[in-house]
Amino acid sequence: AQSVTQLGSHVSVSEGALVLLRCNYSSSVPPYLFWYVQYPNQGLQLLLKYTTGATLVKGINGFEAEFKKSETSFHLTKPSAHMSDAAEYFCAVRGMDSSYKLIFGSGTRLLVRP
Amino acid sequence: DAEITQSPRHKITETGRQVTLACHQTWNHNNMFWYRQDLGHGLRLIHYSYGVQDTNKGEVSDGYSVSRSNTEDLPLTLESAASSQTSVYFCASSREGQTDEQFFGPGTRLTVL
Repeated sequence: AQSVTQLGSHVSVSEGALVLLRCNYSSSVPPYLFWYVQYPNQGLQLLLKYTTGATLVKGINGFEAEFKKSETSFHLTKPSAHMSDAAEYFCAVRGMDSSYKLIFGSGTRLLVRP
Repeated sequence: DAEITQSPRHKITETGRQVTLACHQTWNHNNMFWYRQDLGHGLRLIHYSYGVQDTNKGEVSDGYSVSRSNTEDLPLTLESAASSQTSVYFCASSREGQTDEQFFGPGTRLTVL
């Protein structure tokens, strides 16, 4: 069975500091991995995804994530946090098993301090 | 522009009432999904559909049903609302490629009193 673990339900950083949101997955098949962002009172929006090929994936708003198979991780980073990055972030996995379902982590709320 | 909409955006109902939440997408996606979002649980899959007349149970399907009579709509029905079903509900759709992401609606906040 597939699962996703996001370490830290809340992460607080100062504006301009590095953002690091952690995601580990378990999957019996090679995974497709996704990061979504949710701003207050809105639906989820795709930040980036890993399917195949280059393991460092760049997304919108300056975010990127690196797929590390040996560590079963897909951590999300941004070099310099902006106040507008304050939101909830969800990591999700889909196995390459003909299922279109996504399994989501429990989410990490990012707080950005002035 | 293509989009996915949900209605109503907010709903208050009483225990035991039947409630239907609407989801409509204009992307012509075959895949549609319903999730509920609760603190500490992320998004949990309720039901999903891979095409007209196809419906499947997700991990938290008890007390919910869906029907798919056309490509654009997947209404979610709570047969007899319970306080435990107070939540925010999201509808999503996707194309049929394994690498395709899901597109989410704005959500419906449901309160069951």
